[in-house]
Amino acid sequence: AQTVTQSQPEMSVQEAETVTLSCTYDTSESNYYLFWYKQPPSRQMILVIRQEAYKQQNATENRFSVNFQKAAKSFSLKISDSQLGDTAMYFCAFIRTGNQFYFGTGTSLTVIP
Amino acid sequence: EPEVTQTPSHQVTQMGQEVILRCVPISNHLYFYWYRQILGQKVEFLVSFYNNEISEKSEIFDDQFSVERPDGSNFTLKIRSTKLEDSAMYFCASSEWQGSQPQHFGDGTRLSIL
Repeated sequence: AQTVTQSQPEMSVQEAETVTLSCTYDTSESNYYLFWYKQPPSRQMILVIRQEAYKQQNATENRFSVNFQKAAKSFSLKISDSQLGDTAMYFCAFIRTGNQFYFGTGTSLTVIP
Repeated sequence: EPEVTQTPSHQVTQMGQEVILRCVPISNHLYFYWYRQILGQKVEFLVSFYNNEISEKSEIFDDQFSVERPDGSNFTLKIRSTKLEDSAMYFCASSEWQGSQPQHFGDGTRLSIL
């Protein structure tokens, strides 16, 4: 079975600072994909960043980057220069072949002015 | 930017009644999905749909549930004889292809069963 664990239910960060959200997963598959989604209050889930497991290079998307440690099955999200608009629930998700996303329980991030 | 839209945003239904949740996926997407999130719990996969048939479903998606693409734009989730434990946020998603492609989510429908 595939499981995704986000061990930080809530986090806060000062505006302009850097924060890292952790995610670990468990799978016996070798080929899979990892995603971070952001869900602002009362808004839809938005894709933040994607990582292919076969790529060793960590994905980056502007202020968002990941630290992908395949052997450790770890996929953390780093947000640099945090902005007020980054306040949201962040979900880590895993997908192998097929269509089924496996989500973590989410981390609620608050950016403090 | 194209979006997945879901209606209604909130549905209140008596236990035992049937409910239909509606979704309009992004127009050039071929794969459609339903997920649910019970309050305080993780988002759970229900079903995926491609080429007018179910391609994958979870153990949650039992005979009480059905999906349909009644026309070229809508994608619906029907829950027959609703139960209290069906109360949750239901998300529709769509993607161009399966697997590695990101899924684009709607705002969700909050279903409350009384």
